[in-house]
Amino acid sequence: QKEVEQNSGPLSVPEGAIASLNCTYSDRVSQSFFWYRQYSGKSPELIMSIYSNGDKEDGRFTAQLNKASQYVSLLIRDSQPSDSATYLCAVKVTGNTPLVFGKGTRLSVIA
Amino acid sequence: DAGVIQSPRHEVTEMGQEVTLRCKPISGHDYLFWYRQTMMRGLELLIYFNNNVPIDDSGMPEDRFSAKMPNASFSTLKIQPSEPRDSAVYFCATQSWGDGELFFGEGSRLTVL
Repeated sequence: QKEVEQNSGPLSVPEGAIASLNCTYSDRVSQSFFWYRQYSGKSPELIMSIYSNGDKEDGRFTAQLNKASQYVSLLIRDSQPSDSATYLCAVKVTGNTPLVFGKGTRLSVIA
Repeated sequence: DAGVIQSPRHEVTEMGQEVTLRCKPISGHDYLFWYRQTMMRGLELLIYFNNNVPIDDSGMPEDRFSAKMPNASFSTLKIQPSEPRDSAVYFCATQSWGDGELFFGEGSRLTVL
């Protein structure tokens, strides 16, 4: 069974700090990896996707992928109170298979 | 584009009643997914369609749940009879192609008393 594991948190960081969110997955042949952000009472929204080993940067966000270790992470630099949300890691084995989501890590950025 | 539209946004019903949740996908999106989210189990895939055809319904919890997609513009998720453990937020999400971005509706919050 395909599994995606995340620490539930809450992860609390002070404003301006780097928040580091981690995710591991069980299916070694997984090909596509995504980070979704979900504010309380809202629906998930895509913030990052990554497909190959290494780092991918987009503004204050950096996604990191290590397929050998089956590990994906999301770094948020200069964290803001508006970043407070639940971050969902999602994994896709192939292009035609649905996303499998982790349960999410709740991030709280303290002003 | 109006995005994925779900109705109702909130539903409170009593155990044993039938519940029908509705979804209008983004025009041109070939894939439609129904997810259920709870605190305990997170976001679980119930069923998904490709070009209106059900592809995988292995996530549907039991026979009380059924889903249909009669055309490219409409899908329903039905629970009959409903039970308190069905209380959750049900999301419909659509995708234009296999590896494209998944767009979520605002969800239907179901409470079964």
